[in-house]
Amino acid sequence: QKEVEQNSGPLSVPEGAIASLNCTYSDRGSQSFFWYRQYSGKSPELIMFIYSNGDKEDGRFTAQLNKASQYVSLLIRDSQPSDSATYLCAVNVEDDKIIFGKGTRLHILP
Amino acid sequence: DVKVTQSSRYLVKRTGEKVFLECVQDMDHENMFWYRQDPGLGLRLIYFSYDVKMKEKGDIPEGYSVSREKKERFSLILESASTNQTSMYLCASSFRETDSPDTGELFFGEGSRLTVL
Repeated sequence: QKEVEQNSGPLSVPEGAIASLNCTYSDRGSQSFFWYRQYSGKSPELIMFIYSNGDKEDGRFTAQLNKASQYVSLLIRDSQPSDSATYLCAVNVEDDKIIFGKGTRLHILP
Repeated sequence: DVKVTQSSRYLVKRTGEKVFLECVQDMDHENMFWYRQDPGLGLRLIYFSYDVKMKEKGDIPEGYSVSREKKERFSLILESASTNQTSMYLCASSFRETDSPDTGELFFGEGSRLTVL
């Protein structure tokens, strides 16, 4: 069975620091990778997607992909209390079928 | 503005009842998904549909069936509800990524919290 693995956390990071979230996936054929943020009681919302090896930056967020190591990460710079949420790594495993990791709870300490 | 609407936010059903969860999207998306979300288990894919009348099993299809008679509507059916199906159910939709290589983003409904007594 194809899997996406994340540390469940909680990950506690001081305000203003860099938060680093990691994800590994089992399907070497996967091509598309996503990071979703989910606030408590809300539905997930997309914050980043990445297709190519390397880094992709969008504001305070940077997604990193290493297909050889089957590893995706999300860096959040200048962390804010509003970044406190659960972050879900998602992978397109075949023909647009998308599966999720269990999520990492991030807590930004004021 | 993309909208995915789930018919019921909260449902309470009894063991053995047949349950229908409805989902409608207004963005002409080809793909539609049903996930369930449980504490500590994340989002698990139940079923996926990439076109009308087409469906694929996800990771946990047992006890569920789906129906996609129209492009905009994807229904999840619990033929005989059991207590272990108490969960939050999330519907999502997306464009077909092969048609739009830079998309693949899932748009979620607000969720349907089902309690089976």
